[in-house]
Amino acid sequence: TQLLEQSPQFLSIQEGENLTVYCNSSSVFSSLQWYRQEPGEGPVLLVTVVTGGEVKKLKRLTFQFGDARKDSSLHITAAQTGDTGLYLCAGAPPGAGSYQLTFGKGTKLSVIP
Amino acid sequence: DTGVSQDPRHKITKRGQNVTFRCDPISEHNRLYWYRQTLGQGPEFLTYFQNEAQLEKSRLLSDRFSAERPKGSFSTLEIQRTEQGDSAMYLCASAGGIFEPQHFGDGTRLSIL
Repeated sequence: TQLLEQSPQFLSIQEGENLTVYCNSSSVFSSLQWYRQEPGEGPVLLVTVVTGGEVKKLKRLTFQFGDARKDSSLHITAAQTGDTGLYLCAGAPPGAGSYQLTFGKGTKLSVIP
Repeated sequence: DTGVSQDPRHKITKRGQNVTFRCDPISEHNRLYWYRQTLGQGPEFLTYFQNEAQLEKSRLLSDRFSAERPKGSFSTLEIQRTEQGDSAMYLCASAGGIFEPQHFGDGTRLSIL
C-alpha cells in the first residue's frame, strides 16, 4: 500500500511570509499532483509533476518533485489570504492501470492578514 | 468545458435508507473515478470506470455500494442500507487520456442521522 505523509498538518502564518509544505513517501510514483481544497468543495488541481527533479512554478507557488519520485514540496512566496486552504498531494502509481490517486491527509494553511 | 458536476450537493438521510448520487464528468473524458473523503483525511479511492466498464474497486467498497456508468458518460453511486460510518463527502473525478490529471467535482456530502 502506497502512503503519502504530508507535513506540517496545520500551518498558520502572517500575510507576506514564505512557507514550504512537504509530501513524503517510501514508494515511487509515476506522477504527483498538488490540489487545493476549500471547505465544502472538491479539490482543485494546481500542478502535475512527472519527472524526477522537476521544478514547476505557478506565480508565487513553486513545486518540486524529488529525484527518486518519492517526495515533493510546495513553496509559497509572500503568502496572501487567498492562499488559505487545504493543500493535498496525490500520487499515481507506476505502471499501467487505473492511475487511481493516493492522497495525503493534507496541510491546512491559514494565512492571517 | 463545464467541469465535473455532482448531484445532489448535500444529502441527509436516516440510517438504513438507500441513497444514490450522480456524477457528470467532463465531456469526452473516458476515465471516471469515485473517492470518499472523511473529516481530516484526504480522499480515498473507491472505484474506477474506463468508458462503461468498471475496472477497479477498492476493498473500501462493501457489498452495500454499487456504481454504474451505463453509457460511458454519467455515473451513479448507490449505497444501500446506509450506516453511520457512511457519512462522508463522496467525490467524483474524471480524466481524459491515460496520463491526464484527474479533475474533481464539488462532491456530495452525505449525512446519516
